[in-house]
Amino acid sequence: DVQLQESGPDLVKPSQSLSLTCTVTGYSITSGYSWHWIRQFPGNKLEWMGYIHYSGSTNYNPSLKSRISITRDTSKNQFFLQLNSVTTEDTATYYCASYDYDPFAYWGQGTLVTVSA
Amino acid sequence: DIKMTQSPSSMYASLGERVTITCKASQDIKSYLSWYQQKPWKSPKTLIYYATSLADGVPSRFSGSGSGQDYSLTISSLESDDTATYYCLQHGESPYTFGGGTKLEIK
Repeated sequence: DVQLQESGPDLVKPSQSLSLTCTVTGYSITSGYSWHWIRQFPGNKLEWMGYIHYSGSTNYNPSLKSRISITRDTSKNQFFLQLNSVTTEDTATYYCASYDYDPFAYWGQGTLVTVSA
Repeated sequence: DIKMTQSPSSMYASLGERVTITCKASQDIKSYLSWYQQKPWKSPKTLIYYATSLADGVPSRFSGSGSGQDYSLTISSLESDDTATYYCLQHGESPYTFGGGTKLEIK
């Protein structure tokens, strides 16, 4: 089975960058699927942020386009989220997830990131 | 962006009752519609994908229907374990967008 696990700081200061890692086990991120970041705000609204395809191409939510970057380290079977210039509005639980014929069949457990001074 | 209007936002239902949750897309999404169940402090779990396909391991009391702009999730006979928040997702056009969620509780 594919397993995903998010990691990274749980507190980020306003104007700084948020950086998260998703470590994938049970499947190579270069073999197939696309690899996504999704966040859930307090109050439970879900927002799709973007993905990196197994080919290496990326696609981002235009609402974040100027601030977001998704990259990968194929040697470690990890992909990454960087979100720049964060504000308190970026406080959320961040999930990584995989997309195949069953969209988002596999999710990480989520990591709560709080943006606060 | 495609807007997903999900209803109701919350509901109470009795054990054994038939429950239906709906999502309306702001344009035709050609059945690129999934349903997820989320329990407190857990990640969402796929119930239905491509509008009608039951995800692996999901009980057969869950079913999906719809086409075009209008979709629904039905639980044929509510069980206590179904207490959760349910979300729809359109993944036919980027940016993918979620419905606002339906919190389902047992009466």
